[in-house]
Amino acid sequence: DVKVTQSSRYLVKRTGEKVFLECVQDMDHENMFWYRQDPGLGLRLIYFSYDVKMKEKGDIPEGYSVSREKKERFSLILESASTNQTSMYLCASSLSAGGLKTQYFGPGTRLLVL
Amino acid sequence: DQQVKQNSPSLSVQEGRISILNCDYTNSMFDYFLWYKKYPAEGPTFLISISSIKDKNEDGRFTVFLNKSAKHLSLHIVPSQPGDSAVYFCAATGLGGATNKLIFGTGTLLAVQP
Repeated sequence: DVKVTQSSRYLVKRTGEKVFLECVQDMDHENMFWYRQDPGLGLRLIYFSYDVKMKEKGDIPEGYSVSREKKERFSLILESASTNQTSMYLCASSLSAGGLKTQYFGPGTRLLVL
Repeated sequence: DQQVKQNSPSLSVQEGRISILNCDYTNSMFDYFLWYKKYPAEGPTFLISISSIKDKNEDGRFTVFLNKSAKHLSLHIVPSQPGDSAVYFCAATGLGGATNKLIFGTGTLLAVQP
């Protein structure tokens, strides 16, 4: 079974703080993704990575950065948290090979920025 | 511009009856479609998928139908159970590249009444 874990289930931070969200997968997947989920907006892609040290912007990268130093770990960084970044953050991973296009998600981190 | 649309934000069904969740897409380049189920405070879990070379895929109580000419897919759950109550997201991919980025709809909240 694919396992994707996220470092925290719930976080409360203050405006202006730097926030780190960590994601680890144990299935040697090449691709990793960060999404945020907000009511009525579905899942929106923030950043993704297709290899170590490689990253690409998704649909809403503003205010975020990412780091992928090891294949199994993908970190999302909020450089200076703002209240509009209060959301559910979801990490996912997938293989690159063949027709295997399913993404597997972690449990999510619910972030509240005060 | 929303490339994957779920026009029904919510659906209520009696236990034992059929649930039909709908999804429309606009991009004819999509060639693979997935359904995910999400409980509150958890990450989405993969449910079922379908390739564009098929028009139906079945897995137990879950069946996905694809109508390429109408750019429409639907998820049928028969019989519906209270444990099926969740948000259902459809997603599409196939725009090229090895990362298999998924484009998600906004979700439909299914409530199965006992």
